Amino acid sequence: DTGVSQNPRHKITKRGQNVTFRCDPISEHNRLYWYRQTLGQGPEFLTYFQNEAQLEKSRLLSDRFSAERPKGSFSTLEIQRTEQGDSAMYLCASSLGGSVEQYFGPGTRLTVT
Amino acid sequence: QKEVEQNSGPLSVPEGAIASLNCTYSDRGSQSFFWYRQYSGKSPELIMSIYSNGDKEDGRFTAQLNKASQYVSLLIRDSQPSDSATYLCALTRVDKIIFGKGTRLHILP
Repeated sequence: DTGVSQNPRHKITKRGQNVTFRCDPISEHNRLYWYRQTLGQGPEFLTYFQNEAQLEKSRLLSDRFSAERPKGSFSTLEIQRTEQGDSAMYLCASSLGGSVEQYFGPGTRLTVT
Repeated sequence: QKEVEQNSGPLSVPEGAIASLNCTYSDRGSQSFFWYRQYSGKSPELIMSIYSNGDKEDGRFTAQLNKASQYVSLLIRDSQPSDSATYLCALTRVDKIIFGKGTRLHILP
């Protein structure tokens, strides 16, 4: 299967710990997006990359959040000093440059206790 | 006013009937519109894209777009229990997608 993959699928962590998630996009897709979804809400945009360049960051992305896509392939999203409010599903999507259609991975569910 | 508004439901529809899901949006400049299906605990799955006024059909699904009235709808014909899910209406703003909160659809066997 060559869809978007995300790891881990589930993460439980204690408040104050750092966590890192990984996303591998569809192989030929040069754009990669991160979204966050909480219960009863639609996904909310966090940031996106075109190749290795991070082109936009949402105001939702506080300074505790950082994302990288060092070689224009996989991406990582790190949350430092996690808070209970960070508990959510973190979704990664990818698209081919020039196309507006984005395809989502299975998500990483984060629970902060 | 939210950018994308949907009735949260639940919308209950008997099996075999037509399910009609509606969405309104606020930005007249929006050009691309989508319907995503999301099963409980799973990620969104793109089921329809529509870019111009009118209807677009794909199997049992028909998306309708009316830019003058700023609404998008999704019709599901011959509804099946497997169609029970949350349906997210979405649009593009620059390079990102803006989602509504979704409508929960429940197909009654």
